[in-house]
Amino acid sequence: DAKTTQPNSMESNEEEPVHLPCNHSTISGTDYIHWYRQLPSQGPEYVIHGLTSNVNNRMASLAIAEDRKSSTLILHRATLRDAAVYYCILRDPISAQGGSEKLVFGKGTKLTVNP
Amino acid sequence: GAGVSQSPSNKVTEKGKDVELRCDPISGHTALYWYRQSLGQGLEFLIYFQGNSAPDKSGLPSDRFSAERTGGSVSTLTIQRTQQEDSAVYLCASNNPEPPLFLVNEQFFGPGTRLTVL
Repeated sequence: DAKTTQPNSMESNEEEPVHLPCNHSTISGTDYIHWYRQLPSQGPEYVIHGLTSNVNNRMASLAIAEDRKSSTLILHRATLRDAAVYYCILRDPISAQGGSEKLVFGKGTKLTVNP
Repeated sequence: GAGVSQSPSNKVTEKGKDVELRCDPISGHTALYWYRQSLGQGLEFLIYFQGNSAPDKSGLPSDRFSAERTGGSVSTLTIQRTQQEDSAVYLCASNNPEPPLFLVNEQFFGPGTRLTVL
C-alpha cells in the first residue's frame, strides 16, 4: 500500500476554516484518496474520498493536487465537535477486489479546535 | 438503523487468560473487519471476512489470535494466553464491498472493546 504523510497535530479556532494536508508522493494511478476521522473514544468514521477531481460533501471538501501527490481535507468552519484524529488513506479498489479490502491507517493528524 | 455493536465495551483480564470479543455487524453487510489500536497509535488490521471466501488473516500478530464468523453475521475474536502487549482497543467494522459500493468501501466501525491485560 502506498504511504501517506500527515502532520502529527494541528490547531484551529472555532468557526475558522481548517486545511489538513496529506502527502502521497508514491500514489498510483488507480489509488483513491480516502479520509476518515476518529472522534475521542469512538471508532473511525468515513469523511470523504476522491480520485482526481475536488470533491464536496456535507462534512468536508477534498482538494486534490493536479499531480495527485498531495491532497487537502478542508473543514470550512471548524466546530468543537470536529476535534478528532484525521486519517488520510490510499486505496486501490481494483486490487482490493482481488484480495483484501483492509484499510491501512497511519497515525493521522490530531486536530484540536479551540473555542 | 443500528450500527456496528461490540461487546464487552471494556475487558480487564489477567495475563495468561483467554478472552473473547464479540462483534455484531450492520445487518446485511457481507464484509467484516477486525482492527486493533494500541495507545496513541493508528489502527492495525487483523483479519477480514467476506461472504463465503476464505478470510484474510494476514494481520493476526500470532497464533494466539483467532477469529470466526458464524452464519455470515456475528464474529468473535479470541485471544488465547493473553499478554500485556495485547492491551489495546479492538475495533470491528463492516460494509458491503460490492459494485458499485466497492469504489467507496466505506467501512462502518463499532465503538470498540478496550482490553486491558494485567
